[in-house]
Amino acid sequence: QVQLVQSGSELKKPGASVKVSCKASGYTFTSYAMNWVRQAPGQGLEWMGWINTNTGNPTYAQGFTGRFVFSLDTSVSTAYLQISSLKAEDTAVYYCARVGYWGQGTLVTVSS
Amino acid sequence: QLVLTQSPSASASLGASVKLTCTLSSGHSSYAIAWHQQQPEKGPRYLMKLNSDGSHSKGDGIPDRFSGSSSGAERYLTISSLQSEDEADYYCQTWGTGIHWVFGGGTKLTVL
Repeated sequence: QVQLVQSGSELKKPGASVKVSCKASGYTFTSYAMNWVRQAPGQGLEWMGWINTNTGNPTYAQGFTGRFVFSLDTSVSTAYLQISSLKAEDTAVYYCARVGYWGQGTLVTVSS
Repeated sequence: QLVLTQSPSASASLGASVKLTCTLSSGHSSYAIAWHQQQPEKGPRYLMKLNSDGSHSKGDGIPDRFSGSSSGAERYLTISSLQSEDEADYYCQTWGTGIHWVFGGGTKLTVL
């Protein structure tokens, strides 16, 4: 069955970087785009962008350019989200998602 | 501009039915949407894709109690025989230009 399994929670200090992984299984990884979605505490779902799993070409939504990087390692069917220069307002749960399926989410907490 | 509008809250009694609404912005009434459920303290779960003609395809393991329908720019999610575990936030989502995802603000469903 299709599964998207994300890496565990992270606690980071302001200014640091974090890399969240999303390992896909149960389907051909390169057949579906991978999306990233943010959910700040108590808030709704916010689409961050997507990465073409064939070409590796990322597309970022408004507000997610510069410090946010999507990448892939197709050899292990894994997508990555890296956030640099972390700020307190980056504290959120980050989800990977493809059509029909979601990862379980990764809580990133930014605190001094 | 592509916008999805949802009522912030809804309630219905255990065993009853409820119909949640997602409204597409002007000029976008032909768009398909997806419905997602997010139970408390859990990640989102894909429920179904709903087309403008009311046809829909449900995700893996989604009970028959969940159904979708459409009328003009409105997309509906009907949940029948409400159970306590249906208490959740429900988000509609659509696909804009270049496969951009757009989310509605979500509806918090309370089962009385």
